[in-house]
Amino acid sequence: GQNIDQPTEMTATEGAIVQINCTYQTSGFNGLFWYQQHAGEAPTFLSYNVLDGLEEKGRFSSFLSRSKGYSYLLLKELQMKDSASYLCAVRDRGYALNFGKGTSLLVTP
Amino acid sequence: SAVISQKPSRDICQRGTSLTIQCQVDSQVTMMFWYRQQPGQSLTLIATANQGSEATYESGFVIDKFPISRPNLTFSTLTVSNMSPEDSSIYLCSVQPGEETQYFGPGTRLLVL
Repeated sequence: GQNIDQPTEMTATEGAIVQINCTYQTSGFNGLFWYQQHAGEAPTFLSYNVLDGLEEKGRFSSFLSRSKGYSYLLLKELQMKDSASYLCAVRDRGYALNFGKGTSLLVTP
Repeated sequence: SAVISQKPSRDICQRGTSLTIQCQVDSQVTMMFWYRQQPGQSLTLIATANQGSEATYESGFVIDKFPISRPNLTFSTLTVSNMSPEDSSIYLCSVQPGEETQYFGPGTRLLVL
């Protein structure tokens, strides 16, 4: 079975750093994805991790520890436009993604 | 990257009717998927659309309710059959052009009355 957990909601201040955690228990592992989804829009691809370690891409970084079944998305220098849902998704044996319920991030002034 | 378009972008349908959603990609892709996102929920995989063969459905989804076509590597359709209000959802097409990426279409917003 699949079990992917993320916090439901988070709040952070503009200009700050926020870390969104994701833990997973899946029957197989073939990569972990992070997506951003603004209300009423489709998910936008942010990052992909398949090996342990940190992947940095501008203000966003994603970390993976396969042995711990753990990932986080780190957002630096938060902007108001970063207010959105952030979805953690694991690709197990096949090619399709299994999604967590998403973390709703609110960035305040 | 891949540019994905879906038609219609939204629709309001009566219960008992069927709606076919189209997904067009600007390049050939082997892996194409259909997801559903119910109000306030995350995404749930409906099926993998296989070119030249029957789609592979996830648990809880069946071909009679969600028939899928994949006539070539750039196009697929999903039909929501005999609709009920519980089918009100956003339906998203997704493609995986490479191992490290998976992109989503803009979605089709369906309301069943």
